[in-house]
Formats: sequence, C-alpha cells, structure tokens
Amino acid sequence: AQSVTQPDIHITVSEGASLELRCNYSYGATPYLFWYVQSPGQGLQLLLKYFSGDTLVQGIKGFEAEFKRSQSSFNLRKPSVHWSDAAEYFCAVSGDSWGKFQFGAGTQVVVTP
Amino acid sequence: DGGITQSPKYLFRKEGQNVTLSCEQNLNHDAMYWYRQDPGQGLRLIYYSQIVNDFQKGDIAEGYSVSREKKESFPLTVTSAQKNPTAFYLCASSLGRSNQPQHFGDGTRLSIL
Repeated sequence: AQSVTQPDIHITVSEGASLELRCNYSYGATPYLFWYVQSPGQGLQLLLKYFSGDTLVQGIKGFEAEFKRSQSSFNLRKPSVHWSDAAEYFCAVSGDSWGKFQFGAGTQVVVTP
Repeated sequence: DGGITQSPKYLFRKEGQNVTLSCEQNLNHDAMYWYRQDPGQGLRLIYYSQIVNDFQKGDIAEGYSVSREKKESFPLTVTSAQKNPTAFYLCASSLGRSNQPQHFGDGTRLSIL
C-alpha cells in the first residue's frame, strides 16, 4: 500500500531565509507526487506535481521540488520565504488507476519577521 | 471561473440529527471525493465516486453517506451514527486518473451544538 510521511510537524523560518519541507513516500512503482498548500480555513491549492522526466520540478509561488528515487523522497524547497508563505503544506502520492491520493499529515510553516 | 463550491462554510449539528454538506463542481470532472481533516492527521478519505450513480467507501466511511445523481454534485450526509463529527470537511474533484491532480473546495467546518 502506498503511504506518505512528512517528518516535520512544525517548522519556523525567518522571512527571507530558505525553506525545505521533507516528504518520504512508499510505493511499489513510480509514483505520481504532489505538493499542496493550505491557508487557515481554506481548501488545498496545488503547488506542483511530479509524473516523470526531470527530477527537479518547478511550481507556483517560487516553489520547487526534487524527486529522489533512491531516497524515496520528494522534498519541497523555496530559496527565500515571504510572510505569505505561512501555511500548512501537504505532500500526496497517487498510484491507483482511479486517482486515489494518500496524503501526509502535513507540515505547519511559521514565518517570523 | 471553473471550480468547486462547498456550502455551507459553517454548520452546526444537534445530537441525533443528520446534516448534509453540499459540493458542486463545474470543472466537468468525472471523479469526486470527500475528505475529513482533523488537526495533525492530514486528510482522510470518506467516500469517492468515479462516475454518476456509483461511489465507493474510503478509509473512514462509517457514519457517513453520499449520493451521485449528477456529475456536478456529490453531497455528503453526516448521520447521527457518526459519534465524533466535529471536523473540517473537504470536497475535491479530478479527471479520475492517477496522474491528474485533485482540485479542492474551500471546506465546511462542522461543529456539535
């Protein structure tokens, strides 16, 4: 069965500093991987997705993610965070034919001045 | 603009009462999903539907029911059998293939009176 682990429940970062959020997955074949962001009281917004090809994927809002098959990881990065990046971030994996997703527990990001 | 509309945004349930959460999409998506979100637990799948008049149980279907009479609509009923219904409920839709992202509504927060 597929699963997703986000090891960090909570991360605090200073505005302007770099951010990296970890995501590890378990899946027998090549997975389809996604990162979403959720602001308080809102739904989830897609940041980026990985299907195949280039292992470095660019997304919206200046985010990127790198797929590393050898480490079963799909970490999300941003070179310089803005206060508006404070939110909860979810990693998800999909592998079933009908599009069922498995979500990680989420990482809460706090941005300090 | 195409999207997913969930209503109401806030809902209160009395003991022994059934309540229905609405989810409508105009994205022409075949698949629709209902998730429950509790703090620190990510998103858990309640029910999903790949096509009109067909739906399947997800990981936590007990105490919930759904219908899919129209492609655009996928209402969720929280029955009195659900003893701990207080949560944030998210509806999503997709083209129904594993390499396609899910698109989310803004959620409904259900509380017990």
